[in-house]
Parts: sequence; structure tokens; C-alpha cells
Amino acid sequence: ETGVTQTPRHLVMGMTNKKSLKCEQHLGHNAMYWYKQSAKKPLELMFVYNFKEQTENNSVPSRFSPECPNSSHLFLHLHTLQPEDSALYLCASSQAGGLYEQYFGPGTRLTVT
Amino acid sequence: AQSVTQLGSHVSVSEGALVLLRCNYSSSVPPYLFWYVQYPNQGLQLLLKYTSAATLVKGINGFEAEFKKSETSFHLTKPSAHMSDAAEYFCAVSEGNAGNMLTFGGGTRLMVKP
Repeated sequence: ETGVTQTPRHLVMGMTNKKSLKCEQHLGHNAMYWYKQSAKKPLELMFVYNFKEQTENNSVPSRFSPECPNSSHLFLHLHTLQPEDSALYLCASSQAGGLYEQYFGPGTRLTVT
Repeated sequence: AQSVTQLGSHVSVSEGALVLLRCNYSSSVPPYLFWYVQYPNQGLQLLLKYTSAATLVKGINGFEAEFKKSETSFHLTKPSAHMSDAAEYFCAVSEGNAGNMLTFGGGTRLMVKP
């Protein structure tokens, strides 16, 4: 499945670093999402963008900063992370509206040291 | 508010046996329901979805699920398990036309024994 791509696939960063995760969708969708998947915890929705506008911020700490420059690209900027932020970060896209399924990228495995 | 409960974080079946993964939901509006599968080191892939049409929904890889409003359930079944079905399965609910936020259950890891 190459409809939603994420880079990098793996990232190790120190607590004082700044890095960015990138997501790109080639499906013509108008909604994009960031999820966090941690071991032994349910999949957590972080941010939702509809038509490039952020419509949901699920009480995410400010050390995570999303950016959606257009409907095909989504970034997650990371700075001063904590070890508990280590997780798999998944990007997804869909047509806007609850009727439509979301298509997921392969994720970025983030380790904070 | 909506929520999803998946009973059993781990389910083990023998190859060729029936697969039954349980999902119960809570929603204040008519729900849309989804089952996703996640293989190791991959993202989630849609298996099937219910969007208020037929209550018995058929998906990919021989899976199906039945929406039962009276039981608030959307259990996933497959008549005969295959080794390649070993993966983690997630049930999810959305608010329907009110929004496109998905709430996921905790997931069920399916193991298939030869």
C-alpha cells in the first residue's frame, strides 16, 4: 500500500533535539490525522485536519506541533520530547466525514533517549 | 461520547477453526463501525465497515461482521483461520456524519496455531 507514505520509518532522538515527521497522501483525500500508538494503550488520536484546517487537538502537549501546508502533506514537529513519547506515530487520511474509512501509513517508530 | 471495548486482548485459535473477535461500542448517535487489521511493522488496513446499510458486512480475506444494535455489538468472524490471519485487530467507531473522528478499541492480538 503506497497511498500514504511516512518518513522517516525509524527515528531516535535525544530529549533536546528537534525533528520532524512527514506524511504524504496520494489518494486525493481532504482530511489527515496523526495518531500515537504506544504499547499496551489504545490508539490515540492526536490531531485532525480537514481541508488544511486543524479541527481537533486531543489535548496534545505543545512539544508536538502539527503543520498541514496542503491537503496532501502533514508534518509533526517534535521538540524537547520525553522518553514516554517513544511510540509508533501513524498518519492517516480520508475524505472528510465519518462515513469514510481512514487509510493509514506504515508509521514512524520514534525512540526518545 | 463514543467508546469501544474489545473483549480479550489475546485470542488463540487453531488453523482451520472459527475466528471470533468481540467488539462492543457506545455511541450517542447512529454509529459507523470499522474493523482494521495491523500486521507487524505496518500501519492499519481496513477489513470492513458498517455505515447503516446491510447489518451483515463482508470484508476482505474472508472476514465478516454483524451489526447488532440491541446488543451494541459488532463482532468480527471468519469461518476458518489461516496462519496469515495472525495479526492485531482493531474495532473503531465514528460519530457518523457529525464528524470524522475515529475512536479505537484496545485491540485484540490473534494467534493462529498450526
